[in-house]
Amino acid sequence: QVTLKESGPVLVKPTHTLTLTCTVTGFSLNNDYVGVSWIRQPPGKALEWLAHIFSEDEYYNTPLRSRLTVSKDTSRSQVVLTVTNTDPVDTATYYCVRGTLQGGFDFWGQGTQVTVSA
Amino acid sequence: QSALTQPASVSGSPGQSITISCTGNSSDIGIYNYVSWYQQHPGKVPRLIIYDVAKRPPGASDRFSGSKSGNTASLTISGIQGEDEADYYCASYTSTSTPVIFGGGTELTVL
Repeated sequence: QVTLKESGPVLVKPTHTLTLTCTVTGFSLNNDYVGVSWIRQPPGKALEWLAHIFSEDEYYNTPLRSRLTVSKDTSRSQVVLTVTNTDPVDTATYYCVRGTLQGGFDFWGQGTQVTVSA
Repeated sequence: QSALTQPASVSGSPGQSITISCTGNSSDIGIYNYVSWYQQHPGKVPRLIIYDVAKRPPGASDRFSGSKSGNTASLTISGIQGEDEADYYCASYTSTSTPVIFGGGTELTVL
């Protein structure tokens, strides 16, 4: 059974770094067919794709690239997203999802709500 | 890279068919058959209902169908029911430095 679960802080102060962890079960992060993306959704707004990691390759939403880093620890089945220099506009529900850049995202975590506020 | 363009809202009566459009350009929908659609009920997690323009994942209702013409993809829901009331998002693979973009979402109201 494929599951993904996000964890991280609920509240982050502006300019601080946000670190989110996604723990997966039911598939290996060391495979040849699917990777893991991070997608966020500000309150009442649309989905926004942020980053993807597959094998040893990383992909990013270019306008946000300077502030985003995605990495993985295969042995712990975890994918980590860091967002530096946070701003209130980063307030959103952050989802960890399984899939491919071309074929879409078939399994989603429950999401974790993050508020950036002083 | 701007978001894909979707109508903000659509509506229909139970039993009717509705279509939601998703317009991109020659860097995304126009050159790739990699469009996916997601359904999101209020307060819930999005769910994949269509991928590769017209394929349904296991468990997705056959009342959902997808198509594409030029730079525009479409999601059709036939025989709409109250349970279909939700937000729908399209996404596409792109040739730009941002490989995935989403649409702005469409709210479906079942009258």
